[in-house]
Amino acid sequence: QVQLVESGGGVVQPGGSLRLSCAASGFTFSSYGMHWVRQAPGKGLEWVAFIRYDGSNKYYADSVKGRFTISRDNSKNTLYLQMNSLRAEDTAVYYCAKDLHWNTVTYFDYWGQGTLVTVSS
Amino acid sequence: EIVLTQSPATLSLSPGERATLSCRASQSVSSYLAWYQQKPGQAPRLLIYDASNRATGIPARFSGSGSGTDFTLTISSLEPEDFAVYYCQQRSNWPLFGQGTRLEIK
Repeated sequence: QVQLVESGGGVVQPGGSLRLSCAASGFTFSSYGMHWVRQAPGKGLEWVAFIRYDGSNKYYADSVKGRFTISRDNSKNTLYLQMNSLRAEDTAVYYCAKDLHWNTVTYFDYWGQGTLVTVSS
Repeated sequence: EIVLTQSPATLSLSPGERATLSCRASQSVSSYLAWYQQKPGQAPRLLIYDASNRATGIPARFSGSGSGTDFTLTISSLEPEDFAVYYCQQRSNWPLFGQGTRLEIK
């Protein structure tokens, strides 16, 4: 069965950096686009970033563009999110999610359990 | 930017009743709309995609309809495990979610 397991969350000071990882199993990771989606405490869902199955295209929400970088290592079945210049408003649970299709941004058919990032001094 | 507006914000119903949740887009998204269910402390779960296609393993009591700007998620007969928050999501531009509808037990 499909499993997505995030790690790397924690408490970081404003302006700091953090790298999240998402280990994937149960499907052919190298054949699907992948996303990061976040949810601030008590709030709704916000899409953060997408990477194509082969890493050739990456897209970001305006709120994180220039600060966050999505990447993947298909040999390790792992998705990453490098987060720099963190702000208080980046505080959220970060989910990795598999795209329903292989080549483009569509919907999120499997999700990890999430990892909490808290930006606070 | 397309805005998705969900209504009502909160829906109070009893088990066995029919639930109708609405999602309205500020401009046409064709049929590119999905619905998700999220329970407290859990990740969202995909229910419906492309407006009316049930995702893998989703019970038949969940159905979706609509196109253009107006969409509906219907739960034909509520089970106790259906009380949760429901989000719609469009994919016409970048993924964007509605603000959610909380379905609570009356």
